[in-house]
Amino acid sequence: KAGVTQTPRYLIKTRGQQVTLSCSPISGHRSVSWYQQTPGQGLQFLFEYFSETQRNKGNFPGRFSGRQFSNSRSEMNVSTLELGDSALYLCASSLRTGLTNTEAFFGQGTRLTVV
Amino acid sequence: ELKVEQNPLFLSMQEGKNYTIYCNYSTTSDRLYWYRQDPGKSLESLFVLLSNGAVKQEGRLMASLDTKARLSTLHITAAVHDLSATYFCAAWDSNYQLIWGAGTKLIIKP
Repeated sequence: KAGVTQTPRYLIKTRGQQVTLSCSPISGHRSVSWYQQTPGQGLQFLFEYFSETQRNKGNFPGRFSGRQFSNSRSEMNVSTLELGDSALYLCASSLRTGLTNTEAFFGQGTRLTVV
Repeated sequence: ELKVEQNPLFLSMQEGKNYTIYCNYSTTSDRLYWYRQDPGKSLESLFVLLSNGAVKQEGRLMASLDTKARLSTLHITAAVHDLSATYFCAAWDSNYQLIWGAGTKLIIKP
């Protein structure tokens, strides 16, 4: 069973540019969440999508956006990049049953460096 | 609002010793997770604890959950160097958001 796939693995961008990251969840998983991890702030929730709908959003500026496609693949976009956006971006997929989510499985992450 | 607190945040120990990492959470959550992260790597799921009194073991690691005390523990027995990593606990809140502890950086010295 294939795991969660994130592309690209590494990315270097300059300030002001925009970036799109991609996440393919485990087959059958319809819930996809995105997290930002930095040494100073730890793991911070960005947003969660389920069946193409954003269910929840963390406390990030509007420059951070995402979407989910009908095949459950998800993308997140960061516009007007700032140096502080340098981080490891992690995508997690999980199987929602009823009103709860099961275990979250993480991709390898995308290491974004903004210069 | 669910809050998850881990302690200690940093732990340096000798091989062969035992130690416990604690995870407290502030409101009811129906399941508790432990993850491991190696430097520069992603998060690897270790344990899923679903009910009060749940205990799971994998090798030298054992996790338990006390929902009444809102406490989970990760116990390391006879630590070996390969267990050096950062360990996180997490729980789902009512908005389908995983709330994370700050992580415990574990260094095991030979």
